[in-house]
Order: sequence, then structure tokens, then C-alpha cells
Amino acid sequence: RKEVEQDPGPFNVPEGATVAFNCTYSNSASQSFFWYRQDCRKEPKLLMSVYSSGNEDGRFTAQLNRASQYISLLIRDSKLSDSATYLCVVKLNAGGTSYGKLTFGQGTILTVHP
Amino acid sequence: EAGVAQSPRYKIIEKRQSVAFWCNPISGHATLYWYQQILGQGPKLLIQFQNNGVVDDSQLPKDRFSAERLKGVDSTLKIQPAKLEDSAVYLCASSPLTGFWEQYFGPGTRLTVT
Repeated sequence: RKEVEQDPGPFNVPEGATVAFNCTYSNSASQSFFWYRQDCRKEPKLLMSVYSSGNEDGRFTAQLNRASQYISLLIRDSKLSDSATYLCVVKLNAGGTSYGKLTFGQGTILTVHP
Repeated sequence: EAGVAQSPRYKIIEKRQSVAFWCNPISGHATLYWYQQILGQGPKLLIQFQNNGVVDDSQLPKDRFSAERLKGVDSTLKIQPAKLEDSAVYLCASSPLTGFWEQYFGPGTRLTVT
């Protein structure tokens, strides 16, 4: 089983649509969770962290369910500029330290069309 | 603030040849990472340095890959000899010292092994 699993898509949605991405992780000791965005042929960039209480940043909402080991990202009112690959990322701290290894999912491709 | 610099941006070599990649992290960032991203997959951590010491190299194929970070600043990643399956983008990332987890990625080096 992969450490971090995502539906690779692609998701093709019209502008203004709401789209949700899901991600599951296998290591219950994982401590921090993130969504990164990667544009075509560019480097990944941090989109947002994911907190247990759920968090929102404008049109983006992230949720974490530790019991189910499940992370989600919701994008409302999609824009053309949201077209990218969305990477689910899980951090496992190394025994009592804050050093952590990031494990990336394979990414979900989103295309927003006019 | 200057970002993470990498060179070269592109490299084409034949199998069994050697290749080296260079990374200059953001000034003051103590932690440096090398990732391999194969087409259609998320980045996979190869090696993590804290200053000039190795924190995690568990996924580095040590029979052919090596990395060093002299003086705790720049880093080089070497492949010798290269295989076809090494074709990928090699991403360097850096983050500030302990406790701050956002990683800033460089533009990557796209390696093609023929």
C-alpha cells in the first residue's frame, strides 16, 4: 500500500464549479499534513496546511480526519488559474524531533475550462 | 529574497554516463533536500541534510547516487553510472532551521537518460 494515495484524475471542470480532492495516508503516526500545488513543468509550492479542525483560505478548504486517515481539499468557484496538479503531502516527524520527512502523493490533475 | 537555485536546468546523457546537479538553497536555510520526481508521480525524497550532516538518506540508491553539502550551504547530487530509469526531474528544496516545515523548491533539473 502506498504511504499517500490520491486519485490521479484528471478532473476537468468548468469555471465556477466546486471540486473536491481526496487523499488517504497509511501511517497513523503522521503528524502534519499539507496541500502543495504544482503547475505544469514548475516546482511544487505550498498551497495550505491542513489542521484537524479544518481550515479555509479564500476559496480553498482543507479537512483532516485522523481516525480515517483521510485528507481533503475543496475548491469553490474554480478559476482557470486553478488548473494545476494538487499534491497531498504528509509529514512524519523523526522520533521526538521536529525533523520530518515529507511524503508526497502522486498528485491530482485539475483542468478548469471556460 | 532569492529562491533556491539549481543548475543545469536540463541534461541529456547516455546510460552509464555520469552526471552532477548543483543546488544553492535560500540564504540562511539550514535544511536542504533532494527529491526525484518521475513523470506522473509526486516527488520522492532522496536525501535530507541539516547543515552539512545527513538526516535521512534511506531512499537514496547508494550504489549509484551520492550527495554532499560542503560547508552547510551548496549541495551537489551525483549519479554514476546513470540508468534509463533515472530519467526524472531532480528537485532541490530548502527550509529554515528546526520547527519550520515549509519547503521551498528550486526549478529542478530535468534529466533524460538515453
